[in-house]
Amino acid sequence: EDQVTQSPEALRLQEGESSSLNCSYTVSGLRGLFWYRQDPGKGPEFLFTLYSAGEEKEKERLKATLTKKESFLHITAPKPEDSATYLCAVQQRASNTGKLIFGQGTTLQVKP
Amino acid sequence: DSGVTQTPKHLITATGQRVTLRCSPRSGDLSVYWYQQSLDQGLQFLIQYYNGEERAKGNILERFSAQQFPDLHSELNLSSLELGDSALYFCASSPGETQYFGPGTRLLVL
Repeated sequence: EDQVTQSPEALRLQEGESSSLNCSYTVSGLRGLFWYRQDPGKGPEFLFTLYSAGEEKEKERLKATLTKKESFLHITAPKPEDSATYLCAVQQRASNTGKLIFGQGTTLQVKP
Repeated sequence: DSGVTQTPKHLITATGQRVTLRCSPRSGDLSVYWYQQSLDQGLQFLIQYYNGEERAKGNILERFSAQQFPDLHSELNLSSLELGDSALYFCASSPGETQYFGPGTRLLVL
């Protein structure tokens, strides 16, 4: 069964303290792995898509990487405005549907 | 702003009632997805439409149904509502693989 597991569930950082969020996945053929940011009560905001092992993408203080079994979201020198829940999701290659299978998310709090 | 709009933002209703949630996708996107987000289940895929046709179903209850109209907007109908249906309902649209989510409708069933 396709599954996505994110760790840790919650993470508290001081401003400027870099860290990484983990997303482990099991999928029968990966079409893409997606990272989203979600603020409380809002819709998920698209961050990155990764397609193959070894791929990396960056946006401001965020960098996403992908291996055959997991993805990492590295946050460098975070600021309080980076506080949010970060969601990882996978999409199957074989299916003719683009449905996303989400992990439970990592809630990040960055203190000034 | 993702370009996906959802109405209403909030909905409070009673058990046994029926409600309709509406979604307008981004201009040009043919695919529309519906997801449910509850505290204990996370984001769960419900159903997908592509250019008016149902493409895939997830764990959608028989009490729930959806459709996509010729102008590509979509509606999710929830009937015989139960307390456990209280959740955030998101619509997403996609031009291909990446999905862009709307702001959601928060449903509270009392």
